[in-house]
Amino acid sequence: DGGITQSPKYLFRKEGQNVTLSCEQNLNHDAMYWYRQDPGQGLRLIYYSQIVNDFQKGDIAEGYSVSREKKESFPLTVTSAQKNPTAFYLCASSISSATQYFGPGTRLLVL
Amino acid sequence: GENVEQHPSTLSVQEGDSAVIKCTYSDSASNYFPWYKQELGKRPQLIIDIRSNVGEKKDQRIAVTLNKTAKHFSLHITETQPEDSAVYFCAARSNTGNQFYFGTGTSLTVIP
Repeated sequence: DGGITQSPKYLFRKEGQNVTLSCEQNLNHDAMYWYRQDPGQGLRLIYYSQIVNDFQKGDIAEGYSVSREKKESFPLTVTSAQKNPTAFYLCASSISSATQYFGPGTRLLVL
Repeated sequence: GENVEQHPSTLSVQEGDSAVIKCTYSDSASNYFPWYKQELGKRPQLIIDIRSNVGEKKDQRIAVTLNKTAKHFSLHITETQPEDSAVYFCAARSNTGNQFYFGTGTSLTVIP
């Protein structure tokens, strides 16, 4: 999982602002995922992508958007429509039929 | 879709004792079951996994068992140590897709 990076480590969002979280992997993994983790809770899937230029909504996609223009990159945008964005965001990647490995996470806070 | 339930939500054990965490799943098509350990503020780390064609897998002090008929799988940690204290998550993946479904986590505390 050392091949998955996320930036920034901490991100502050102002009211009405869109912010973008970066996720990059050099593991040549086809699939990439975004999860949201709230304190004391499990991981909830926001979006996932199995191949370039294709992605699917997870359980809590409202207020978020993604793109997958390159195999290595899967950025997540938290839009102003997401009214409660404060959380720990985890990106993950996997090879088909294998487990997924996580990035170090981005903690998003609202000013 | 798949529904994964995990119990208990918190678990405290004395150092040296064993700890058991249980998960159930609903989709009989699920065929891959990883377990992750997450320390405070850090990323989940894979500690062990099992596929549906195997009933048990062991790696030193950690073992996982799978009962496909009952649709449940368990994590067993023996001879627990303080550094085992963390949150543990189970997950299931269906062979019909690439999506993982996670349990809600178990906070394990090992008391020295």
